[in-house]
Amino acid sequence: QKEVEQDPGPLSVPEGAIVSLNCTYSNSAFQYFMWYRQYSRKGPELLMYTYSSGNKEDGRFTAQVDKSSKYISLFIRDSQPSDSATYLCAMSAPGNEKLTFGTGTRLTIIP
Amino acid sequence: KAGVTQTPRYLIKTRGQQVTLSCSPISGHRSVSWYQQTPGQGLQFLFEYFSETQRNKGNFPGRFSGRQFSNSRSEMNVSTLELGDSALYLCASSLALATSTDTQYFGPGTRLTVL
Repeated sequence: QKEVEQDPGPLSVPEGAIVSLNCTYSNSAFQYFMWYRQYSRKGPELLMYTYSSGNKEDGRFTAQVDKSSKYISLFIRDSQPSDSATYLCAMSAPGNEKLTFGTGTRLTIIP
Repeated sequence: KAGVTQTPRYLIKTRGQQVTLSCSPISGHRSVSWYQQTPGQGLQFLFEYFSETQRNKGNFPGRFSGRQFSNSRSEMNVSTLELGDSALYLCASSLALATSTDTQYFGPGTRLTVL
């Protein structure tokens, strides 16, 4: 079993819809949770960064962490065609630069 | 500020050959990490360098090695290439080691194809 599980999709939603992306993990040492967005033929770019449990909002993006359930989510409101990309969750433990990634969810926003 | 650069962007090699990939981190960043990305396994951590020393290593065979220079630039070497080494190799830089609050910034990657 992988340390981080992520539904690979693909996920297609109409423009303007709310998108929910999720990951589960098994390593209770993880304290730092990130969401990266990766466009085709590009490297991943950091979207959201959260420490421990709670919510964080940045514009149309909201990240949620539930450490008791070992479950993290990324919500995208008012989705746009430019949001079409692969979304990767990543996690790390304190004092360790190594990121453990989910396999990524491929998202397509249909105009 | 320039981002992380990787060269070459694309590479085709044959089985048994060796390859060296290069990564230049963001100016001022001292930590460089390498990842392998494949459709089946996703992004997997290879190793991390800080101040010319390998500080962290993933579960890859010894054919995968790397080094970091005094200017923080890093190279990754893969010897005796296998078909399964075909992947996108990404490097990421961050300011410092031993704190997970430092954001890692990724380069565009080197696409390696082994024939």
